[in-house]
Parts: sequence; structure tokens; C-alpha cells
Amino acid sequence: DQQVKQNSPSLSVQEGRISILNCDYTNSMFDYFLWYKKYPAEGPTFLISISSIKDKNEDGRFTVFLNKSAKHLSLHIVPSQPGDSAVYFCAASVSGGSYIPTFGRGTSLIVHP
Amino acid sequence: DTGVSQDPRHKITKRGQNVTFRCDPISEHNRLYWYRQTLGQGPEFLTYFQNEAQLEKSRLLSDRFSAERPKGSFSTLEIQRTEQGDSAMYLCASSLAIKSTEAFFGQGTRLTVV
Repeated sequence: DQQVKQNSPSLSVQEGRISILNCDYTNSMFDYFLWYKKYPAEGPTFLISISSIKDKNEDGRFTVFLNKSAKHLSLHIVPSQPGDSAVYFCAASVSGGSYIPTFGRGTSLIVHP
Repeated sequence: DTGVSQDPRHKITKRGQNVTFRCDPISEHNRLYWYRQTLGQGPEFLTYFQNEAQLEKSRLLSDRFSAERPKGSFSTLEIQRTEQGDSAMYLCASSLAIKSTEAFFGQGTRLTVV
């Protein structure tokens, strides 16, 4: 059973607009959440993270929002750029334990010029 | 240190052969993870080490798979008697074992079993 779910396999956005990628999780023990970006033929690259003690974390054009009661998080990219086109993975882990990130299946983002 | 390094990048092998992959983590990282990724899936956890100790193994890691990290630095992942279902990208990642922190991934080894 998928503990981290990314229900949208793909997302297409116009350059300059906002991209919103969504992620849901089922394990209430998860308390640390990460987003990774992956280009073809490369390994995932860490993008941004958030601890469960926060509901928002911002880094430049990237903002992650966490709704613990809904077990939902989202990644906002504003403004979107063609170079943002990649597969985005949501991951979650349990701090105070093995910290092993559990990944979703990914969402392929295409930003059109 | 340029990050997590994996070798080889690509491996094509015949079914039934043994293969071994190597991962060199970021030097100060004491945790090392192996993941497998197949088409359309996210990375799936296989096993992890803290220093030289292998602390957890996924049920995905069958008896044909073995991983080592003999000196707490580099790690190897061996697959014996490869099967076509083993074809995947094998990813290595490393991190620091303090609080929660991000894991840094290598570029992966693409295994094709023919």
C-alpha cells in the first residue's frame, strides 16, 4: 500500500504561471517531508523540505505547504520556468527513527514557453 | 567532495549472471541508502547502513541481493543470478544521522538484464 501518494502523474503549465504539485500521505507517524526533482538519467535532487511543526516553508520560487489534519502537502512554484520541467517526487520520513524517506510515484511537470 | 558517486552508470548483463554496483557517499555522511526505481514508480527503499552496520532491509531485498559497507565508507550492492525483473535504476543516497535531514542521491546505475 502506497503510504505517500501523488495522484497526478503529469501537470502542464505555461511559463510564468504557478505550478501546484500535490501529495497525500497515510502514515500519521511521518513528521518530515521532502520534495525532490529528477531530470532524465539523473538521480533525484533535493529541493525543499518541511517539518511537521511548520505549515509553510519557502525558498525562492518554491514554497511547500503542509496540512497535517488532511495529511496533505503541496509544492508551489512561482513563477514556473521551462527549466523546472522534470519529475517531482514527494517523500516523507519519521524523525527520531531511521529517517528512511518513503517516496511517492512522482508527478511529471512540463512548463511550456 | 562532488557528491554521491555510483559506478557503473549502466550495466547490461545476461540473465543468471551476477552483478555488483558500487556507491561512494559524501565523505562526512554516516548513513547510506540503496533504492530501486522502475519505470513509473518512485524510488523504493532496499536497505540502509549507519556507518558499517546494515540496520534495515526491505522485503524487496530477496536472498539474491546482498549489500555491504565494510569500512563505513563506500558500499556495494550485489545481485546474484539476475532475473529480467531486476532491470531497474539502482540509486544510492547518503545523509547525516542527526535529526531529520535530506538524503543526497547519486546518479544511479541503470541495470538491464537480457
